[in-house]
Amino acid sequence: QSALTQPPSASGSPGQTVTISCTGTSSDVGAYNYVSWYQQHPGKAPKLMIYEVTKRPSGVPDRFSGSKSGNTASLTVSGLQAEDEADYYCSSYAGNSNLIFGGGTKLTVL
Amino acid sequence: QVQLQESGPGLVKPSETLSLTCTVSGDSISTYYWGWLRQPPGKGLEWIAYIYHTGSTNYNPSLKSRVTMSIDTSKNHFSLRLSSVTAADTAVYYCARYPPSGGWFDPWGQGTLVTVSS
Repeated sequence: QSALTQPPSASGSPGQTVTISCTGTSSDVGAYNYVSWYQQHPGKAPKLMIYEVTKRPSGVPDRFSGSKSGNTASLTVSGLQAEDEADYYCSSYAGNSNLIFGGGTKLTVL
Repeated sequence: QVQLQESGPGLVKPSETLSLTCTVSGDSISTYYWGWLRQPPGKGLEWIAYIYHTGSTNYNPSLKSRVTMSIDTSKNHFSLRLSSVTAADTAVYYCARYPPSGGWFDPWGQGTLVTVSS
């Protein structure tokens, strides 16, 4: 299984909207609605931001949203805030009880 | 509120076995699956394995030959053993809760750095 493909970096100014992509295959992202997104600040554990493609856990701001089209999932952060600056990782169920992650995207708030 | 805490040696010699334990508080370990993930310094996340309270396990195929997970419901903790470690196994190891429906990990422990070095 290959890792999901994410852009290494993304950026935006406060208040703007940024979208991070996560590209897999028809065997993982395209096959299952089990794409999740994690936010990780430096030195901290990852935090679940989106699960099952579009669902937000309790406490996650509605500025964060997820979507999927074909083999590519996306995380959109609207109304960017300084505290959104972090690394973001996508993950997908890949069948046979397996999971794969993307390489991560560093989001910079300019 | 469920909390997870990893514990174990921070330094393991090459070719030896890495052993970690994750203690769960605030939730019964018999309700969910529980997993291990890792993150080499400066790199991305990798799923290692997850286990159900029945002892049923699922391992990352790339690590399957070296990984063993176990669970102790009486102590509300679960464990990871990774054998024949090399420098490539140096990473922050996280434990996390995995829902029965599958697909994501939440919440995560704070993580523990394990360095493989002689």
